[in-house]
Amino acid sequence: DAGITQSPRHKVTETGTPVTLRCHQTENHRYMYWYRQDPGHGLRLIHYSYGVKDTDKGEVSDGYSVSRSKTEDFLLTLESATSSQTSVYFCAISEAGGRTDTQYFGPGTRLTVL
Amino acid sequence: AQSVTQLGSHVSVSEGALVLLRCNYSSSVPPYLFWYVQYPNQGLQLLLKYTTGATLVKGINGFEAEFKKSETSFHLTKPSAHMSDAAEYFCAVSRIQGAQKLVFGQGTRLTINP
Repeated sequence: DAGITQSPRHKVTETGTPVTLRCHQTENHRYMYWYRQDPGHGLRLIHYSYGVKDTDKGEVSDGYSVSRSKTEDFLLTLESATSSQTSVYFCAISEAGGRTDTQYFGPGTRLTVL
Repeated sequence: AQSVTQLGSHVSVSEGALVLLRCNYSSSVPPYLFWYVQYPNQGLQLLLKYTTGATLVKGINGFEAEFKKSETSFHLTKPSAHMSDAAEYFCAVSRIQGAQKLVFGQGTRLTINP
C-alpha cells in the first residue's frame, strides 16, 4: 500500500469554525490531490498540488484553501465550515501527474459540520 | 468536457454469478479510463486502467474491462462473484488538459448474496 495517512480520521465541528485536514505521504510523489465524496456524486476534486507551493483549483474549490510547504504534506483548510461541507475527504497522490498515472488514495477523513 | 455515467447505483448478484458493472463515457479525444474499488471504510484502490493498446484490460482480483469505442463504454466484469467483491466501484476518465484530473462516475454499490 502507498504510504498515505490522513489526520484526523473523524472530526465533528460547528458551523463557522475553521478546520484543517492533513495529508501526509512517504512516497515522495510530486502530485497530491484533495477530493470530497458525497452520495450520488462520486468523488469530486477540490484542489491539487503539482509541487511545493504549487497548487491549483479543482471543480469544487469554493470555501476551501490548500497549502503545501513540504513535499510530503498537503493541507486542506475550511476557513469557516458550513453544513454543506459535511463529507468524506480523500487525499490522493500520483508520481508524475500524467493522464495515465495511477492515483493512490488515503483512508479518508469523515467530517461532520453541525 | 469529459464525463462518466455509471448505470445502476446498486447491483446485486449471487455468489458465483457473473458480475457486470456498466460505465459509459463522454470524451472528445481518445479517453484514458479507470476502474477503482472502495471497500467499506477504506480509500479507493485501482482495479485496472485502459490507456492505449489492447482493448480488453485485466485487473486485480479476477476483474476485467473492455474498451468499446463504438459504444463509448468501459464495462467491468468478473465471471464468478465472491463474497469479498462486495464494495463500491467507481469508473473514471482522465481529463484532457493540465495535470491529471480524474472525473468520477457516481459509483455502483455491489452486493453479493450467498
